[in-house]
Amino acid sequence: NAGVMQNPRHLVRRRGQEARLRCSPMKGHSHVYWYRQLPEEGLKFMVYLQKENIIDESGMPKERFSAEFPKEGPSILRIQQVVRGDSAAYFCASSPQGSYNEQFFGPGTRLTVL
Amino acid sequence: AQTVTQSQPEMSVQEAETVTLSCTYDTSESDYYLFWYKQPPSRQMILVIRQEAYKQQNATENRFSVNFQKAAKSFSLKISDSQLGDAAMYFCAYRSGGSGSEKLVFGKGTKLTVNP
Repeated sequence: NAGVMQNPRHLVRRRGQEARLRCSPMKGHSHVYWYRQLPEEGLKFMVYLQKENIIDESGMPKERFSAEFPKEGPSILRIQQVVRGDSAAYFCASSPQGSYNEQFFGPGTRLTVL
Repeated sequence: AQTVTQSQPEMSVQEAETVTLSCTYDTSESDYYLFWYKQPPSRQMILVIRQEAYKQQNATENRFSVNFQKAAKSFSLKISDSQLGDAAMYFCAYRSGGSGSEKLVFGKGTKLTVNP
């Protein structure tokens, strides 16, 4: 059973461009979470999704950031008009249905904004 | 809002010795979960151990154990017989037990160095 897959592993964008980060949850997992890790910091929650639904987006910046988890295909975290402050590692985690299950993390995508 | 504090930015231990990493948290909830995650240089987040708040018994996983003091809101991690492969960042995390509130709240981490 493959783990949580994230791609790309490294992404370089210039200021003003768009960044798309992809996350494929573990097989059978219907819950996806996105976290951001700034340098020298712990992970900060961004958004929690189930298939076709955003459950909790309390950690998402109000502008430029969006997330989706369609019925088919990976979850996408989209950052429009990136700025240097968006440079960070973005981690996706998934869990099976149910509130009390462990979150399994992907390897992360390191975004660098030039 | 819940907060998690790790007061030790860095710790070091000699190989085969024991080290304890500290974590405190702030919450008004009675039902919650606590976790320790390890992040090696590869940056992969690996679950080390978890503790349910309703359980009085401290969790143990091989060389890793916790000291959970609910009244003091303290959740320390003890690593026994430290190995070189234990060198990593260690993050303490909190999760509410309520349904729909599944986000993890992380501390800033403790960097553990293991000296041969």
